[in-house]
Amino acid sequence: GQQLNQSPQSMFIQEGEDVSMNCTSSSIFNTWLWYKQDPGEGPVLLIALYKAGELTSNGRLTAQFGITRKDSFLNISASIPSDVGIYFCAGQLDKLSFGAGTTVTVRA
Amino acid sequence: DSGVTQTPKHLITATGQRVTLRCSPRSGDLSVYWYQQSLDQGLQFLIQYYNGEERAKGNILERFSAQQFPDLHSELNLSSLELGDSALYFCASSVGSSGGRGETQYFGPGTRLLVL
Repeated sequence: GQQLNQSPQSMFIQEGEDVSMNCTSSSIFNTWLWYKQDPGEGPVLLIALYKAGELTSNGRLTAQFGITRKDSFLNISASIPSDVGIYFCAGQLDKLSFGAGTTVTVRA
Repeated sequence: DSGVTQTPKHLITATGQRVTLRCSPRSGDLSVYWYQQSLDQGLQFLIQYYNGEERAKGNILERFSAQQFPDLHSELNLSSLELGDSALYFCASSVGSSGGRGETQYFGPGTRLLVL
């Protein structure tokens, strides 16, 4: 299956800071999705991107579908304590492939 | 709340046993997907059903099977359980039409399986 490289693996951030994470792949995708997962819960869809070059916002979250269709990034602005969790990128071609996740911990 | 429901939330059983996990998709969704999430393997796609028919298969063991019923709910059957089958099992659903927004997946809360 397609391999997604998600980075960073983890990050500690100060409340109020902006944070950025990204995913790259050697394969192209038709859709990029970003999910957030809290401990013991299912992944929750944050942003969906359907077109190369697309830039989409959802509140303090902004994500972009790379022009090459092989990468995507997610930005969180002005982080708050409830941003803690694991963020997953996922790329879709014939099936959905997930990155390994970025664990975000916020220092209050 | 994604609209996808899964039962049970927790399941504890012994090696060699068989369990059934249940999933109800979002209203109007025709596709159901099953995933396994363990600490060392991340989210692994197991199998997809669309309108009652198997559509795609991932890394699903032969000891595992699934089906989707006429009312579109799905069941994942895990048999001859081993310690290594302990994991979170997620169901997701999508509208199911080809490409783009129709295949965007929404996840249920998961079933935590512990095999002792």
